[in-house]
Amino acid sequence: GDSVTQMEGPVTLSEEAFLTINCTYTATGYPSLFWYVQYPGEGLQLLLKATKADDKGSNKGFEATYRKETTSFHLEKGSVQVSDSAVYFCALTPTGGGNKLTFGTGTQLKVEL
Amino acid sequence: DTAVSQTPKYLVTQMGNDKSIKCEQNLGHDTMYWYKQDSKKFLKIMFSYNNKELIINETVPNRFSPKSPDKAHLNLHINSLELGDSAVYFCASSQGGRVYGYTFGSGTRLTVV
Repeated sequence: GDSVTQMEGPVTLSEEAFLTINCTYTATGYPSLFWYVQYPGEGLQLLLKATKADDKGSNKGFEATYRKETTSFHLEKGSVQVSDSAVYFCALTPTGGGNKLTFGTGTQLKVEL
Repeated sequence: DTAVSQTPKYLVTQMGNDKSIKCEQNLGHDTMYWYKQDSKKFLKIMFSYNNKELIINETVPNRFSPKSPDKAHLNLHINSLELGDSAVYFCASSQGGRVYGYTFGSGTRLTVV
């Protein structure tokens, strides 16, 4: 079945450091890919998405590129802030409908001054 | 205006009780979902309804019964609550989820004592 694998956390960075959170997936065809963010005590917010190969999703300084050849969708940000501290989830929906969103295990990010 | 709203936000109850969680969306989406987030933050789909019709029913105990009176509402009723049911339950909705993503509620933290 479809699955998403994320790097284990927690990830601790200093403010203004470069962030990469790795995400790879297993799915047939061309799934849509998403990054969601969960701030402490809150629900999930859509951060960015990509629906086809080589698409780049971007929002709030975060970026991720849909790489079909490596089945990856790594999240990057050039300079993190304390306010970026949250849990980040990579997710996919499969080709062909069903609309089932399958999540990775989440990666906790902590940004310190 | 809250797009996807869940009530209650917190629910503490004793083992064996029956409880309900309500969800409403004002986005005009045609598909609604229930997700369960366990203590390790792992998110797993439980149910999905499209225009009041059940389309996804994962391997969830039949003590859990979803009900969708109309496409804007999806409630979750849980019978004979067990300690292992303690989790955060998220409602979500989508319209063309593969392209536009999913909107989540802020969650209901259920604690069974």
